[in-house]
Amino acid sequence: EEQLVESGGGLVQPGGSLRLSCAASGFIVSTNYMNWVRQAPGKGLEWVSVIYTGGTTYYADSVKGRFTISRDYSKNTLYLQMNSLRDEDTAVYYCAKGRGNSGPFFSWGQGTLVTVSS
Amino acid sequence: DIQMTQSPSSLSASVGDRVTITCRASQGISNYLAWYQQKPGEVPKLLIYAASTLQSGVTSRFSGSGSGTDFTLTISSLQPEDVATYYCQKYNSAPFTFGPGTKVDIK
Repeated sequence: EEQLVESGGGLVQPGGSLRLSCAASGFIVSTNYMNWVRQAPGKGLEWVSVIYTGGTTYYADSVKGRFTISRDYSKNTLYLQMNSLRDEDTAVYYCAKGRGNSGPFFSWGQGTLVTVSS
Repeated sequence: DIQMTQSPSSLSASVGDRVTITCRASQGISNYLAWYQQKPGEVPKLLIYAASTLQSGVTSRFSGSGSGTDFTLTISSLQPEDVATYYCQKYNSAPFTFGPGTKVDIK
């Protein structure tokens, strides 16, 4: 059974950094395109970033230049390095998996809460 | 970038009613359109992809249609367990934009 488990969320001051992890089981992260999606409190879903099987990455304009998506083959884990955090980055962050190198998000993690506040 | 809109933003209907939610893309996306259901306090769940393909395990009360720029999600007979927010999403190319959501509850 496929499973995604996020970790690394917490309280951070504006301007600070945080690294989120998404540990995968039941499939190989590097053979599927992987995404981060966030949801601010009481708001809708916002796509954040994708890493394709070949390593190509894309970012939402709202995080471009501040966030970096990556993966570790040996740990079968997806990461999101978040720098220069702002109040508006406060959200639950989900990792989500497609199939192969395209398609909708078939599997989601349970999410990890990031709170940016002084 | 392609923008996604949904209407209505919320609706209230009776049990057994037929419910229709509309999603519109600002440019054509063929059938690269998915619908997700998010119940309060839960993780989003894929309902429909390729505009009209029902995800495995999803009740046939849900159906989707459309192509190009205009899409619909239909609940044939609303049930209490369908109370949720529904999101459409384009996935033809990044950015994989979601619609703003439609909140459905029981009258």
